[in-house]
Amino acid sequence: DAGVIQSPRHEVTEMGQEVTLRCKPISGHDYLFWYRQTMMRGLELLIYFNNNVPIDDSGMPEDRFSAKMPNASFSTLKIQPSEPRDSAVYFCASTRDSKETQYFGPGTRLLVL
Amino acid sequence: AQSVSQHNHHVILSEAASLELGCNYSYGGTVNLFWYVQYPGQHLQLLLKYFSGDPLVKGIKGFEAEFIKSKFSFNLRKPSVQWSDTAEYFCAVNAGTGRRALTFGSGTRLQVQP
Repeated sequence: DAGVIQSPRHEVTEMGQEVTLRCKPISGHDYLFWYRQTMMRGLELLIYFNNNVPIDDSGMPEDRFSAKMPNASFSTLKIQPSEPRDSAVYFCASTRDSKETQYFGPGTRLLVL
Repeated sequence: AQSVSQHNHHVILSEAASLELGCNYSYGGTVNLFWYVQYPGQHLQLLLKYFSGDPLVKGIKGFEAEFIKSKFSFNLRKPSVQWSDTAEYFCAVNAGTGRRALTFGSGTRLQVQP
């Protein structure tokens, strides 16, 4: 299996622009998670899905952030409009069962100027 | 709410030295415990995990961790570190029931000097 795939790997954009991050989980995994990593706050959960349904979005910073999972093999995290404080590495992870290991993608390094 | 504390933020060791990284969590119920490693420029990889059974867990690359329930701890150890162990190490907790996502500690940056 190719593992969790994320795109793009790097994104540089200007404040106010829309940013879309993409994730393809490992086939057969029913849970998908979006995490954000910053120097100040470390690794924190943004949202997670189970069978394509959002279960916990309490970590989503504000209305500028939205996430979707239209099918079992694809999820997006959108920021509109983006702000410099959104600069971070965004990780996607998936797992077959809630008790099992989460497998992380390579991350998207976002820089908002 | 569950939380995870990693007390060592930055550790510098010489090769062949022994390593112990502390991890404490706050959650009264059943927990699943993990250690992840992030090598420079790479994504998180699982080192080891504890769900139940023997509280001494062995992982990859010679790492092990011991779950001490009475102390709410899950410390990571390695008897002899190598330069290639230079990385950031994250302890994480997942509650046995309810919320499925991982709660991470702030991470420990390990620097091994040759």
